[in-house]
Amino acid sequence: EPEVTQTPSHQVTQMGQEVILRCVPISNHLYFYWYRQILGQKVEFLVSFYNNEISEKSEIFDDQFSVERPDGSNFTLKIRSTKLEDSAMYFCARNTGAGANVLTFGAGSRLTVL
Amino acid sequence: TQLLEQSPQFLSIQEGENLTVYCNSSSVFSSLQWYRQEPGEGPVLLVTVVTGGEVKKLKRLTFQFGDARKDSSLHITAAQPGDKGLYLCAGEVGQGNLIFGKGTKLSVKP
Repeated sequence: EPEVTQTPSHQVTQMGQEVILRCVPISNHLYFYWYRQILGQKVEFLVSFYNNEISEKSEIFDDQFSVERPDGSNFTLKIRSTKLEDSAMYFCARNTGAGANVLTFGAGSRLTVL
Repeated sequence: TQLLEQSPQFLSIQEGENLTVYCNSSSVFSSLQWYRQEPGEGPVLLVTVVTGGEVKKLKRLTFQFGDARKDSSLHITAAQPGDKGLYLCAGEVGQGNLIFGKGTKLSVKP
């Protein structure tokens, strides 16, 4: 059973539409993260989320992005009005809690914006 | 802006050969992590190095963290076809905030 489950595995959307990506981290850890990887480019940090609040965010994480954990389980990334350049793999991760900040990543959600 | 330069970008070798992947930066990291990523999947952690000069071994893989904690290397001995994949180094700059290198895509010919 995967430790971090992401849905959907692939979503195709029209530019300007809202998208919600979901993550179910199976653990009691409090730190969660979103990263993205544009095709052929580096994995990039978007945001960290601790105790139901944003802990840290990158320059990429602008006003069109938001995160929440509404029911204490699912951890969501919302993109309010998608742009073509938002097409990427989005990875959810959680902290393993083992010493240094070691992350367990989900398999990712591929977002394609047309 | 903190950067991690990873080299080589591509590596194609014969089964049984040795290889080394390098990860360099001008920045100091509190830890450096190595991941392996298969197509369509998320990165999977191989090892974390924390102390300058630290060497860790994982079967045929040897990881080293530079004394100044700015660089790291991954050495694979007697590569096998199953070692193929994208190897990523990542430096920790905050609580779970990792700066990733561009990766080294390894293929091993039988």
